Amino acid sequence: EVQLLESGGGLVQPGGSLRLSCAASGFTFSNYAMSWVRQAPGKGPEWVSAISGTTGGTYYADSVKGRFTISRDNSENTVYLHMKSLRAEDAAVYYCAKKLCSSVGCSAPFDYWGQGTLVSVSS
Amino acid sequence: DVQMTQSPSTLSASVGDRVTITCRASRSIGNWLAWYQQKPGKAPNLLIYEASTLESGVPSRFSGSGSGTEFTLTISSLQPDDFATYYCQQYSSYWTFGQGTKVEIK
Repeated sequence: EVQLLESGGGLVQPGGSLRLSCAASGFTFSNYAMSWVRQAPGKGPEWVSAISGTTGGTYYADSVKGRFTISRDNSENTVYLHMKSLRAEDAAVYYCAKKLCSSVGCSAPFDYWGQGTLVSVSS
Repeated sequence: DVQMTQSPSTLSASVGDRVTITCRASRSIGNWLAWYQQKPGKAPNLLIYEASTLESGVPSRFSGSGSGTEFTLTISSLQPDDFATYYCQQYSSYWTFGQGTKVEIK
């Protein structure tokens, strides 16, 4: 059974930093690209960042480019999101999500999501 | 960036109704379109991908159609478990979601 378990959320002041983790199990983690998707209260989901399973290539939404860094440890089956210079508009539930297909460069949605971790940004 | 626009934002319906939700892309995305269902406090759940392919385990009352810039999600006979918010998502160029359609009890 595929499981994704996020952790690391919490309350942080504007300008602060936070590191989110997502522990994966139930599939061959290194074969799959992983993404972080966030959802502010009452809003639709917003894709934040993705990392390739094999090449380690990283991709970012314009709204977080230069402030967020995605990484992964395939030996620990874990993906991370390092967030710095946090703003009020970064407050949201952050989900990690698995891409449906494993082929390099394939176009696919997300077939498994974690339960989410809440990030609050306030002074 | 590809923008996704859903309509309506809210839909009131009764059990047994046929329900249709529309999603439009700002440019052609082929058939790289997915639909998700989300219930309060839960993560989105994948229903349909490639515009019309039903994800494993999803009831056959859900169906999707369309290509290019216009897509629809249809629920043939609304069930009590279907009252939720639905999102479309393009994955032609990175990933972008629509703003959502809340299906509520009439």
